[in-house]
Amino acid sequence: EPEVTQTPSHQVTQMGQEVILRCVPISNHLYFYWYRQILGQKVEFLVSFYNNEISEKSEIFDDQFSVERPDGSNFTLKIRSTKLEDSAMYFCASRQSFSGNTIYFGEGSWLTVV
Amino acid sequence: DAKTTQPPSMDCAEGRAANLPCNHSTISGNEYVYWYRQIHSQGPQYIIHGLKNNETNEMASLIITEDRKSSTLILPHATLRDTAVYYCIVRVQGYLQGAQKLVFGQGTRLTINP
Repeated sequence: EPEVTQTPSHQVTQMGQEVILRCVPISNHLYFYWYRQILGQKVEFLVSFYNNEISEKSEIFDDQFSVERPDGSNFTLKIRSTKLEDSAMYFCASRQSFSGNTIYFGEGSWLTVV
Repeated sequence: DAKTTQPPSMDCAEGRAANLPCNHSTISGNEYVYWYRQIHSQGPQYIIHGLKNNETNEMASLIITEDRKSSTLILPHATLRDTAVYYCIVRVQGYLQGAQKLVFGQGTRLTINP
């Protein structure tokens, strides 16, 4: 069964460093998402991406965050200058276009900022 | 998207049917009911979705009341591996609707007891 894959599974970084989280969405999917979950809290929407541009973003997704689809398969989330409060599990997700509306999630990348 | 209400926690004995309720009294005609679950801190896993008819797949059954104001997710023979947080999410579906992010609430923490 096709799945969304994410790397790394866990990353520890120092405050102020840049971090890039990578995702390979399901191959025929066209909509891509990043969510995050701080330990013990809800899963929160960050951003959605379609046709090489952001289609929606939350208040969390400020200027420190950016997303990119550098080639035909990868979808990345960059945090420019990490803060302690960025420590969370980050989930990538994808869905097909009009023929499939279910959103499928990856297993997550656990980011620890120290 | 319409708001949903779920009990914060439930218990069920292994081998029995687990029935998870969800209220969505403000649901509109073009909104679907989706169920996801999250085991530990893994990525949310799609279970099932429906509009107004009852649905069944290999994981679960979804029963939606005739007025569509509430629904029940049924896991017919719960196992210990079904212990998870279950999310009921109401969402518009259709390719004209754009990115259609999922909005997660707190969900129901289901514990399957041996």
